[in-house]
Amino acid sequence: EVQLEQSGAEVKKPGESLRISCKTSGYSFTSYWITWVRQMPGKGLEWMGTIAPRDSYTTYNPSFQGHVTFSVDKSVDTAYLQWSSLRASDTAIYYCARLPADNSGYAYFWGQGTLVTVS
Amino acid sequence: EIVLTQSPGTLSLSPGEGATLSCRASQSVYRNFLAWYQQRPGQAPKLLIYAASNRAAGLPDRFSGRGSGTDFTLTISRLEPEDFAMYYCQQYGSSPRTFGQGTKLEIK
Repeated sequence: EVQLEQSGAEVKKPGESLRISCKTSGYSFTSYWITWVRQMPGKGLEWMGTIAPRDSYTTYNPSFQGHVTFSVDKSVDTAYLQWSSLRASDTAIYYCARLPADNSGYAYFWGQGTLVTVS
Repeated sequence: EIVLTQSPGTLSLSPGEGATLSCRASQSVYRNFLAWYQQRPGQAPKLLIYAASNRAAGLPDRFSGRGSGTDFTLTISRLEPEDFAMYYCQQYGSSPRTFGQGTKLEIK
């Protein structure tokens, strides 16, 4: 069974750094790209970008480029989303999701989400 | 960037009725690479439809997607109580991938 298990809720102050995780299981981690999606409070979904676990090739939405970093650790089948300096506007739920076999861009399996509060 | 506009913003219907949700793109979606998701309160989104008309595994055939180019629809026949939720379309034919703003399907 494909599973994406995300790390728990975080409360941070502006300017602090943060890394949240997405632990995968039930499939070959390096064979499927991972995407990150933001959902601000009471708002819709925003595609942040994708990472290919095999070689860490990344694609960022220009709206997020330079403010977030995607990474993976293949030894533990885990993807990460990190910030070096958080802003209050980063308060949101962040979802990781796995793309299909052809990496065509729609999100087939989703994590449960990580709530990040910056205040 | 392709802008997706969903309509209506809110759709009020009764269980047993049929629903038609619309998603219009600001430019043609490459190869009709359009997906639909359902999101219930407090839950992660769930893939329903990909490539405009292909149902995700295990999805009841009450759900169907159609359309091409710039106009796409999601149809839900015989609404069940669990169908009342938010619905989002997403295009993945060009970067950046973009989502519509969502349609809320609520019980009348």
